[in-house]
Amino acid sequence: EPEVTQTPSHQVTQMGQEVILRCVPISNHLYFYWYRQILGQKVEFLVSFYNNEISEKSEIFDDQFSVERPDGSNFTLKIRSTKLEDSAMYFCASTLDRGLTEAFFGQGTRLTVV
Amino acid sequence: GQQLNQSPQSMFIQEGEDVSMNCTSSSIFNTWLWYKQDPGEGPVLLIALYKAGELTSNGRLTAQFGITRKDSFLNISASIPSDVGIYFCAGLIQGAQKLVFGQGTRLTINP
Repeated sequence: EPEVTQTPSHQVTQMGQEVILRCVPISNHLYFYWYRQILGQKVEFLVSFYNNEISEKSEIFDDQFSVERPDGSNFTLKIRSTKLEDSAMYFCASTLDRGLTEAFFGQGTRLTVV
Repeated sequence: GQQLNQSPQSMFIQEGEDVSMNCTSSSIFNTWLWYKQDPGEGPVLLIALYKAGELTSNGRLTAQFGITRKDSFLNISASIPSDVGIYFCAGLIQGAQKLVFGQGTRLTINP
């Protein structure tokens, strides 16, 4: 069964450092997303991406965040200067169709900022 | 902004019991989804609901999309140990490209 894969599974970084979280969405999917989940809290939307541009973003997704689809398979989330409060699980998701919202989630990257 | 209120926050039940949890919102959603999350894993889709009033089953799971499009419930019948986890409802508003998640219901089962 096709799946969304994310790397690394766990990333530890020092405050102020840049991190790049990587995702390989399901191959024929067209819409891509990043969500985050602070420990013990609900899953929060960060950004959606379609046709090589951001479709929608939340207030969490400020200038420190950026997304990119550098090639035909990868979808990345970059945090330029990490803060302690960026520590969370980051989930990538993809969907085939805008109207069909059965988003498939990756297993997540646990980001720990120290 | 749109918010989903999910209840209960946690449940402690005996194996074999039935479970019911629900989500409500002041906003209308076009699609409701129910996910299960195991520790350290990403959410896994259980059931998707697309039409108001729709009742859908997936094995021991049954979910309904409320007539007003502002609520949904999920029932689990005859619970088993592997049902343990956190269950999230999520809604999609037409025209938006984001899922809004509820706070989750943590299910614990005593054998």
